[in-house]
Amino acid sequence: SQTIHQWPATLVQPVGSPLSLECTVEGTSNPNLYWYRQAAGRGLQLLFYSVGIGQISSEVPQNLSASRPQDRQFILSSKKLLLSDSGFYLCAWTGQVNSPLHFGNGTRLTVT
Amino acid sequence: SQQGEEDPQALSIQEGENATMNCSYKTSINNLQWYRQNSGRGLVHLILIRSNEREKHSGRLRVTLDTSKKSSSLLITASRAADTASYFCATVARMDSSYKLIFGSGTRLLVRP
Repeated sequence: SQTIHQWPATLVQPVGSPLSLECTVEGTSNPNLYWYRQAAGRGLQLLFYSVGIGQISSEVPQNLSASRPQDRQFILSSKKLLLSDSGFYLCAWTGQVNSPLHFGNGTRLTVT
Repeated sequence: SQQGEEDPQALSIQEGENATMNCSYKTSINNLQWYRQNSGRGLVHLILIRSNEREKHSGRLRVTLDTSKKSSSLLITASRAADTASYFCATVARMDSSYKLIFGSGTRLLVRP
């Protein structure tokens, strides 16, 4: 069966520090991968999506970047965090177009 | 802007009552999906309804879709305290060679025991 792992679960980082959040999927190949951000009490904002290794599409220009070094690995990064980067980050995957997304448990990032 | 928008933003009901949440969207869709999110957790897919379907059931869940009004509703019957969560609708938008789900801002449901 397919599983998705996202870590860490919580993270507190100072302003100006770098960020690396990792997401891996098991039990499937060539998944479509997504990074979403959720502000407190709000909906999900799509940040990045990837249809294959090295293929990244950005939805919102910002302080973040994403990479897909392996088929089932998706990394969200920042060189210098801003206070506004605080939020709940969710990784998700789907195997087929128009199929439901499967989400990880999220990372709660607090930038201080 | 958000493709899907839910209302109400928050709903508080007594256990045993029915809960109805609505979703409106702006463009044509292939399907519409409903998700549930417990506090501090990832989203869990509940039900998918295709654009050529008008109603779908799954256990205590009933989803309707009216493509002429660009709206959908999620009904939870005989609610339980464990149904307390946020509920989101999502619609599919085609982007280049892939598809992405656009989520609404959600309805926060509180079921009082």
